[in-house]
Amino acid sequence: SQTIHQWPATLVQPVGSPLSLECTVEGTSNPNLYWYRQAAGRGLQLLFYSVGIGQISSEVPQNLSASRPQDRQFILSSKKLLLSDSGFYLCAWRSGTLRIQYFGAGTRLSVL
Amino acid sequence: EDKVVQSPLSLVVHEGDTVTLNCSYEVTNFRSLLWYKQEKKAPTFLFMLTSSGIEKKSGRLSSILDKKELFSILNITATQTGDSAVYLCAVEADKSGSARQLTFGSGTQLTVLP
Repeated sequence: SQTIHQWPATLVQPVGSPLSLECTVEGTSNPNLYWYRQAAGRGLQLLFYSVGIGQISSEVPQNLSASRPQDRQFILSSKKLLLSDSGFYLCAWRSGTLRIQYFGAGTRLSVL
Repeated sequence: EDKVVQSPLSLVVHEGDTVTLNCSYEVTNFRSLLWYKQEKKAPTFLFMLTSSGIEKKSGRLSSILDKKELFSILNITATQTGDSAVYLCAVEADKSGSARQLTFGSGTQLTVLP
């Protein structure tokens, strides 16, 4: 069966520090991968998606970037965090044939 | 721009009540509508709807889609405290040259009191 791992679960970082959040998927190959941000416990905003290794599409211009160095690995990064980067970050995957996205447990990021 | 609107934003009921959550949408090239339940962390999948008028049911939860009026409802009967969560509605639409994407509503916060 497929599983998705996301870490860390919580993170407190100072303004101006770098960020690296990692997401890996097991039990499937060539998944579509997604990074979302959820502010104030509500709707999810799509940040990045990837259909394959090295293929990244950005939905919202921002202080963040994403990379997909391996088929089942998706990384969200920042060189210098802003206060406004605080939020709940969710990684999701979807197979090429199913329309359902499945989510990781999320990372709660606090930038102080 | 694709838009998904959920109502109400929050709802407080007592155990045993029946609730109806609403989701309306405006998207180009609609493919499907999905409902998720989120309790603190990862949203968990509930239903995917693609055809009008066909009810999906799972235990006390059911959902139906109206593609003519562009909305869906999620019903929960005989609510329990464990139903307390944020319920998210998302719509998938075809976008040329890109992976299938979901547009999410802002969610309905349901609180079920004992």
